[in-house]
Amino acid sequence: EVQLVESGGGLVQPGGSLRLSCAASGFPFSRYWMTWARQAPGKGLEWVANLKEDGSETYYVDSVRGRFTISRDNAKNSLYLQMNSLRDEDTAVYYCARGAEPFAEASHWGQGTLVTVSS
Amino acid sequence: QTVVTQEPSLTVSPGGTVTLTCAPRNGEVTSSFHPNWFQQKPGQPPRALIYSTTNKHSWTPARFSGSLLGGKAALTLSGVQPEDEADYYCLLYYGGAQPWVFGGGTKLTVL
Repeated sequence: EVQLVESGGGLVQPGGSLRLSCAASGFPFSRYWMTWARQAPGKGLEWVANLKEDGSETYYVDSVRGRFTISRDNAKNSLYLQMNSLRDEDTAVYYCARGAEPFAEASHWGQGTLVTVSS
Repeated sequence: QTVVTQEPSLTVSPGGTVTLTCAPRNGEVTSSFHPNWFQQKPGQPPRALIYSTTNKHSWTPARFSGSLLGGKAALTLSGVQPEDEADYYCLLYYGGAQPWVFGGGTKLTVL
């Protein structure tokens, strides 16, 4: 069974940093693209970033490029999202997701972790 | 900024059929956008339903189907069940530096 468990969320001040983690199990982690998506309170989904199986390619939504960094450790079956220069509008539940077949983006999702940016 | 539009809300009767659509604000959807569809119920993470326009995941109920309709991506629910009441999101592939964009979502009410 595919399991994705996010952690690392919490309250942070504007301009601060936070690192999210996603622990994966139940599948060969190193064989799949991985994705972060987010959902602000009461709002819709927003695709944030993804990266290739070996970490050699990364892609970001314009609003986080240069501030967020997606990475992975295939030896630890873990996905990360380093978030710097956080803004109020980054407040959201952050979800880790796994792809499946080509262009089956985010086929499996974790339960999410809440990030609140506020002074 | 890329904007993908969906109907904000729709209502359907139990047992009925409803079609949700998804398209860029200015433009049409083709198969090269590889539309994905997701269902989200309150307090839960999204659940994937459809990928690459028409393909179902192994867990997707048979009453859900995906297609292209009049230049839009479409998700059709046939024989709607009360448990289908949820928010539905499409996801389109644009490639490039920001490859994927979610639609704004449709709140489906079964009444």
